[in-house]
Amino acid sequence: QVQLQESGPGLVKPSQTLSLTCTVSGGSISSGDYYWSWIRQPPGKGLEWIGYIYYSGSTYYNPSLKSRVTISRDTSKNQFSLRLSSVTAADTAVYFCARFISGYDYVVFDYWGQGTLVTVSS
Amino acid sequence: SSELTQDPAVSVALGQTVRITCQGDSLRSYYATWYQQKPGQAPVLVIYGKTNRPSGIPDRFSGSSSGNTASLTITGAQAEDEAAYYCNSRDSSGNHPHEVFGGGTKLTVL
Repeated sequence: QVQLQESGPGLVKPSQTLSLTCTVSGGSISSGDYYWSWIRQPPGKGLEWIGYIYYSGSTYYNPSLKSRVTISRDTSKNQFSLRLSSVTAADTAVYFCARFISGYDYVVFDYWGQGTLVTVSS
Repeated sequence: SSELTQDPAVSVALGQTVRITCQGDSLRSYYATWYQQKPGQAPVLVIYGKTNRPSGIPDRFSGSSSGNTASLTITGAQAEDEAAYYCNSRDSSGNHPHEVFGGGTKLTVL
């Protein structure tokens, strides 16, 4: 059973960089045909895909966030990370990490972390 | 860019059947994936592909698709089905394919 757990600061100041880490257990992030993803959800609102890192290390980002996002990984710790720069109050959200599968005619986020709330405030 | 449109709220009487819909151009190329989210919890996968249910998801949940519209049907809704439901697909228009979600439908079981 794959499990994911987010960790990182719950409060970030405006204009600074948000940094989160997702620790994966029950499966390796560097094997299998999986993408390791970040998704966020502002309070009371819907889900927004941020980006993912493929098992090979390739990265893909939401075009609307691409200029501010970096996703990286540490295979020795079986972790992947999110950095979002120049944050504003609009980046306040629950951030989820999830495993993603790209099928021929479907896509799916099949395992999710519990999520972590990040508030952007001075 | 492709968007996925859902009705913000739907209600159903206990034990009755309800259909939650999702519309978008991307659904002409990809089946919708459906997630259930209860307050304070992470989304849970309920339907993916043509009509696949992960282990542990009751068979009262089913999916269907026609043209640019996908539907999640709950046959015999239970009190525990009260939640927000999100559809998800891939927007392959433009230069960079990316994943998209609908705005979510809040289901109330009366």
